[in-house]
Amino acid sequence: NAGVTQTPKFRILKIGQSMTLQCTQDMNHNYMYWYRQDPGMGLKLIYYSVGAGITDKGEVPNGYNVSRSTTEDFPLRLELAAPSQTSVYFCASSRPPGQDTDTQYFGPGTRLTVL
Amino acid sequence: RKEVEQDPGPFNVPEGATVAFNCTYSNSASQSFFWYRQDCRKEPKLLMSVYSSGNEDGRFTAQLNRASQYISLLIRDSKLSDSATYLCVVRPFTGGGNKLTFGTGTQLKVEL
Repeated sequence: NAGVTQTPKFRILKIGQSMTLQCTQDMNHNYMYWYRQDPGMGLKLIYYSVGAGITDKGEVPNGYNVSRSTTEDFPLRLELAAPSQTSVYFCASSRPPGQDTDTQYFGPGTRLTVL
Repeated sequence: RKEVEQDPGPFNVPEGATVAFNCTYSNSASQSFFWYRQDCRKEPKLLMSVYSSGNEDGRFTAQLNRASQYISLLIRDSKLSDSATYLCVVRPFTGGGNKLTFGTGTQLKVEL
């Protein structure tokens, strides 16, 4: 199992450009998440999904969009990139909440810089 | 008040030392508690869950005090490889997409 994979690893965008961060998991997890981590800050939830076709906003959704057409994939779209979106983005997946089965597994992250 | 608060450190300790990290959380209805480890420029990984009765995994011991809304992590016989940032993580409630709230982390540096 590759676990959770993310592409690209690094990206530099100009202000106003758009891009899609890709996330794929091969653990057949229903739940998937997107977080951002700014220096010295905790991870903040952007969007999450509890299954194909179902997405919901997290704590910091503004400036982002997501879709979940398959169980495996959960892409994050940035429209009109802004310097405030410079961050490290982590995708994660898990089983539904329950005892000892709901650990969130994280991908390696995408480091995004907006100039 | 932050939902999850941790001392950012760094904690600089010699190899073999015992070190303890503390964390407080604000939501008394929180359901589940975890410690994650994050190496520099890497993704977070689950270190251990924290149970009301306390639990141990090798050199690591986690404790939960619901009355004081306080979680701790004790590392005995520190190794150089323990150098990392330790994230205190709380699940505020059941349902709602298994959302987690992360502390900002405590940095540990184990030195020769």
